[in-house]
Amino acid sequence: QSVLTQPPSASGTPGQRVTISCSGSRSNIGTNYVYWYQQLPGTAPNLLISRNNQRPSGVPDRFSGSKSGTSASLAISGLRSEDEADYYCASWDDSLSGHVFGSGTKVSVL
Amino acid sequence: QVHLVQSGPEVKKPGASVKISCETSGYTFINYAIHWVRQAPGQSPEWMGWTNTDDGRTHYSQKFQGRVTITRDTFASTVYMQLNSLRSEDTAVYFCARAPGTMIRGGLDPWGQGTLVTVSS
Repeated sequence: QSVLTQPPSASGTPGQRVTISCSGSRSNIGTNYVYWYQQLPGTAPNLLISRNNQRPSGVPDRFSGSKSGTSASLAISGLRSEDEADYYCASWDDSLSGHVFGSGTKVSVL
Repeated sequence: QVHLVQSGPEVKKPGASVKISCETSGYTFINYAIHWVRQAPGQSPEWMGWTNTDDGRTHYSQKFQGRVTITRDTFASTVYMQLNSLRSEDTAVYFCARAPGTMIRGGLDPWGQGTLVTVSS
């Protein structure tokens, strides 16, 4: 069972905005940065959002992240077919002294 | 360009050990920590541990403590992960991933391509 909780699925039509939530606790999201990873089928996770809301080079500005208290969210605006993937939130956990990942959200473009 | 290239798939019997390599290139090896993460079929990623590639210090997830060993070869710019006493539940894709410098808490980028380890009798 994952330390961080995400909804199992989210969907939208092309051009719509989709939001994914990530719930944690004080020992992880509450005191550390949140990261988001996109994982396309059969590939390794790819860093999508760093330090709560920073986009690494090459990540479209359609992706945005935010954090409040012990929760975080990822928003995808202008949804495109190539956004169909699994999305994972992650953070460092001070109690476990390690990275923890979310349960994952599968995004479908209808 | 930064690359992390892992060794090929492995098939092991229960009780055996597996050692996976992660060869890095495109940057100064000792300036970035390396983490290991695994992902069982249909599951989310699970963090296993990390190594400071400069001095070789390691830290492991409590779940794998005593069964996992991460080592590095600075001359070959390669990190290794060995997992012992394999059981069927260890069947997963194993990834190495680079930390942002020596900051072990940061986002992992990039990742190796993954190594499938299948444990079956």
